Amino acid sequence: IAGITQAPTSQILAAGRRMTLRCTQDMRHNAMYWYRQDLGLGLRLIHYSNTAGTTGKGEVPDGYSVSRANTDDFPLTLASAVPSQTSVYFCASSERAGGVTDTQYFGPGTRLTVL
Amino acid sequence: QKEVEQDPGPLSVPEGAIVSLNCTYSNSAFQYFMWYRQYSRKGPELLMYTYSSGNKEDGRFTAQVDKSSKYISLFIRDSQPSDSATYLCARKGAQKLVFGQGTRLTINP
Repeated sequence: IAGITQAPTSQILAAGRRMTLRCTQDMRHNAMYWYRQDLGLGLRLIHYSNTAGTTGKGEVPDGYSVSRANTDDFPLTLASAVPSQTSVYFCASSERAGGVTDTQYFGPGTRLTVL
Repeated sequence: QKEVEQDPGPLSVPEGAIVSLNCTYSNSAFQYFMWYRQYSRKGPELLMYTYSSGNKEDGRFTAQVDKSSKYISLFIRDSQPSDSATYLCARKGAQKLVFGQGTRLTINP
């Protein structure tokens, strides 16, 4: 069982370029999430999806977009990257969106550097 | 003020010591809390979750919630070098997790 896979593992990107971070889960989970992790700030939610076809904004959505065309995939797009988007990005999934004890499972992360 | 505050450390203790990791939260309506462990260059993984107030024990780990002071704690007994990681507390809302900053812990052999 792979769980959650993310690609690429790391990327160096020039400012102004477009970039899509890929996330795929094989657990048939309904809910998926994108977080960014920065030193001193912890994990912050960017966007989420409660089920295929729906998305919502998290705490820090500006500059990012997502889509959820099917259950398994949840790509995160930076339309025009800026240096402040340098971070480690984690994708996560959970069986349901509203279950208070539902565990969120995290992928291995993508390290993105914007120069 | 962040909803969940956590001292980022770093915290360094000798092997075998009892470790206490702490977080505070701002809203007394919060009831579900989780502790995640994150090894270097890996994604976080759920360690424990607790509800409301009181203690929950799992092996060497004990999670505690004190609603009166809005304080959540994770205790690690007989700490091992393999416990070296970043520990993140989080509160669980209807849909989302809100994380503290994480505490980086090193257990020295």
